[in-house]
Amino acid sequence: QKEVEQDPGPLSVPEGAIVSLNCTYSNSAFQYFMWYRQYSRKGPELLMYTYSSGNKEDGRFTAQVDKSSKYISLFIRDSQPSDSATYLCASGNTNAGKSTFGDGTTLTVKP
Amino acid sequence: KAGVTQTPRYLIKTRGQQVTLSCSPISGHRSVSWYQQTPGQGLQFLFEYFSETQRNKGNFPGRFSGRQFSNSRSEMNVSTLELGDSALYLCASSLAVDEQFFGPGTRLTVL
Repeated sequence: QKEVEQDPGPLSVPEGAIVSLNCTYSNSAFQYFMWYRQYSRKGPELLMYTYSSGNKEDGRFTAQVDKSSKYISLFIRDSQPSDSATYLCASGNTNAGKSTFGDGTTLTVKP
Repeated sequence: KAGVTQTPRYLIKTRGQQVTLSCSPISGHRSVSWYQQTPGQGLQFLFEYFSETQRNKGNFPGRFSGRQFSNSRSEMNVSTLELGDSALYLCASSLAVDEQFFGPGTRLTVL
C-alpha cells in the first residue's frame, strides 16, 4: 500500500465549477502537507503548504487537512481552463527527510 | 528571486552510456532533493542532500548517485543507462526539507 493515495481521475468539469481533489495518507508521522500543480512537460509548482489540520485558503484555492482521518483535499472555486493540469498531493515529516507524493489527478476544465 | 534551474533540459543517450544532470537551488536553500517522474510510477524519490551530505536515499540501484557542492548546487549521475531510465528528472530545493520548490526538470531519453 502506498503511503499517499490519490484519487486517480481523470476529472473533467465545466468552467466555473467547484473542483474537489482528494488524497489519503497512512503514515501518522506525516507533519506537513502540500499540493502541487503540474502543467504538461513542466516541473511541479507549489500551490499550497500547511502543517496543521483545518483549512488554508489562497485565492480560489483551499487546502483542507483532517489529521484524524488522514485525509487531505484541495478545492478550486470558479475553475478556469487555465487550471487544467495534473495536481499532486504530497506529505512527509522533517525527520524522514523526504516528501511522499501521490500519483496525481489530471484535471480538465472545459470552456 | 531566481527559481530552481536544471541543466540540460533535454538529453538523448544510448544504453550503456552515463549521464550527469545539474541543479542549482534557490539562493539560500541548502536542501536539494532529486526525483524521477515516469507515467507509470509517478514521482519517485531518489535522494536528498543537505550541506553537502546525503541525508536520505530512495530505493534506486547504485547506478544512481549524486553529490552536492559547497554552494548547494547538486549533480546527479546515472551510469550504465537502461531503457527504463527514460524519465523526467526533477530537482527540488528547500530551506529544510519540507516546503519544496521544483525546477523544470531534465527529460532524459535512453535509446
